[in-house]
Amino acid sequence: DAGITQSPRHKVTETGTPVTLRCHQTENHRYMYWYRQDPGHGLRLIHYSYGVKDTDKGEVSDGYSVSRSKTEDFLLTLESATSSQTSVYFCAISPGDLSSYEQYFGPGTRLTVT
Amino acid sequence: GEDVEQSLFLSVREGDSSVINCTYTDSSSTYLYWYKQEPGAGLQLLTYIFSNMDMKQDQRLTVLLNKKDKHLSLRIADTQTGDSAIYFCAESRGTNAGKSTFGDGTTLTVKP
Repeated sequence: DAGITQSPRHKVTETGTPVTLRCHQTENHRYMYWYRQDPGHGLRLIHYSYGVKDTDKGEVSDGYSVSRSKTEDFLLTLESATSSQTSVYFCAISPGDLSSYEQYFGPGTRLTVT
Repeated sequence: GEDVEQSLFLSVREGDSSVINCTYTDSSSTYLYWYKQEPGAGLQLLTYIFSNMDMKQDQRLTVLLNKKDKHLSLRIADTQTGDSAIYFCAESRGTNAGKSTFGDGTTLTVKP
């Protein structure tokens, strides 16, 4: 398995509180991504990074921010959590070279906003 | 925008072949992927096909692409109970797999 960990794995928080999810990789891959997965739906891209301090928005970026200060860490922050952000969040990585079609996913973080 | 559609459920008997279908709308799709997700886990890339290919075989997996109809299928031969999972189809327009559009997933149930 690719060396991707996510923390925390489960979190319950209240509406209006800030939340930060962490993705850590040991593969030294260039690209990192945050997705959310909602029941009965595929994955939707929130934000992604193509290098340290280089990030861009995905399909559903409103209400989320990200930071990448080191190659190995990609943080997703919900500045003021809302119930609509209750979801399972997946981090993914890919090499960023000719084999960029290979994408590896972390185990996920289940976030509940009450 | 881009759209990827799959049927939601498929049930087969152990030993039979499974065929999971997917349609997509973006004619500029370059790469098409199949992922497997087991309960409580992330997605695992099973296989992929470039848009200039018609077929790709990898052990028990066969991917067929009909670019004219924008139809992709995944055939699993000799389906086993361990194949029970959710299968996601996805497409991307470039080599950056992370900017893919995913379908909603097909839940495959394999009965003994």
